[in-house]
Amino acid sequence: GAVVSQHPSRVICKSGTSVKIECRSLDFQATTMFWYRQFPKQSLMLMATSNEGSKATYEQGVEKDKFLINHASLTLSTLTVTSAHPEDSSFYICSAEGQSEQYFGPGTRLTVT
Amino acid sequence: QQQVKQSPQSLIVQKGGISIINCAYENTAFDYFPWYQQFPGKGPALLIAIRPDVSEKKEGRFTISFNKSAKQFSLHIMDSQPGDSATYFCAASNYGQNFVFGPGTRLSVLP
Repeated sequence: GAVVSQHPSRVICKSGTSVKIECRSLDFQATTMFWYRQFPKQSLMLMATSNEGSKATYEQGVEKDKFLINHASLTLSTLTVTSAHPEDSSFYICSAEGQSEQYFGPGTRLTVT
Repeated sequence: QQQVKQSPQSLIVQKGGISIINCAYENTAFDYFPWYQQFPGKGPALLIAIRPDVSEKKEGRFTISFNKSAKQFSLHIMDSQPGDSATYFCAASNYGQNFVFGPGTRLSVLP
């Protein structure tokens, strides 16, 4: 099956700093990628839909100025958490759409101290 | 209309037993129904999926049963093993887009 990678897998940062998470589709091109947030023992919460070459579409309640998404190529989307705060600590998962299926990355554990 | 309901929230099964997770949807435009398996600290992985032109699909110990008229589908795990302990998400989409996920079921298979 298709492979989606995320980098880094874990990151710890200090409050007030920014963190960038990369999502790559390794063996297919993805016009659309998605970013999810998952709290412990909870379901996936869609944050935004990232379309290559255009602005991301954010879900209601998600601050677009705080969670910057860039989809610069058909294989790469990035999520930047700006001015991170402890409440931003979470598991961030991306997925890429290909062949009418969604393929998930392994996730990035963000801890803001 | 866009919601996918999933039950139970958690499930405990003895090794060798059958695990059954149920999902229901409202939007009749949905035409693709995948199940994902997620282990702690990992991203979800596609387990098995079905389209509404069939009522059942089996892959190894995993079976999806689909009831189009009731707008329900379920995952059956036969001969459940401790290694199956994970969180399972059902989902629905139309034409491979607009995926909607259920809230998840935490399965624990006791040895």
